[in-house]
Amino acid sequence: GAVVSQHPSWVICKSGTSVKIECRSLDFQATTMFWYRQFPKQSLMLMATSNEGSKATYEQGVEKDKFLINHASLTLSTLTVTSAHPEDSSFYICSARVLAGEGEQFFGPGTRLTVL
Amino acid sequence: GEDVEQSLFLSVREGDSSVINCTYTDSSSTYLYWYKQEPGAGLQLLTYIFSNMDMKQDQRLTVLLNKKDKHLSLRIADTQTGDSAIYFCAERGWEADKLIFGTGTRLQVFP
Repeated sequence: GAVVSQHPSWVICKSGTSVKIECRSLDFQATTMFWYRQFPKQSLMLMATSNEGSKATYEQGVEKDKFLINHASLTLSTLTVTSAHPEDSSFYICSARVLAGEGEQFFGPGTRLTVL
Repeated sequence: GEDVEQSLFLSVREGDSSVINCTYTDSSSTYLYWYKQEPGAGLQLLTYIFSNMDMKQDQRLTVLLNKKDKHLSLRIADTQTGDSAIYFCAERGWEADKLIFGTGTRLQVFP
């Protein structure tokens, strides 16, 4: 149980295009989902926290207009990288949690984005 | 702000014990976690410890917490080649429901 999937697992796009990444909790309902970014050989940096049905809370330094997060249902959150540039190339990982404020975070397998 | 530090690299021989260390700065941490990340994959929760505990053992894994020194360690007994991965510690404070991750330690196990 407690499986989180991400789609796509990898994507290559041209500079200036937008890319949508999906995060799904497959066998549980996630009240809260988190989006992280991981640069090569570096740690995970939290980008934003999203609660189902409300606006995402972004970490300092993360542009909310560039990284659009939608958490429309209890099993799906999406991250859209708008007008992607090569510096947006990274490994994006989502996690999902059942209970607000408590509970373990279950991580997705990650999506590798390469912007040419 | 919160800061979590780890040594970058650890190399051990198969069958030996591995000890991965982590230091953190947030004295209000409630839970501390150890995650494993294999190449190109997401994170797998290995174990966690509540801040009022000083030790937790789970099969080959032993977590030690020194809250006074804000030091956390993960000991892997009888390390196997399948344990080769990057290990992240993470802490979670009282006021925020987010995890702050360490820099990650790359464990390499050789025969």
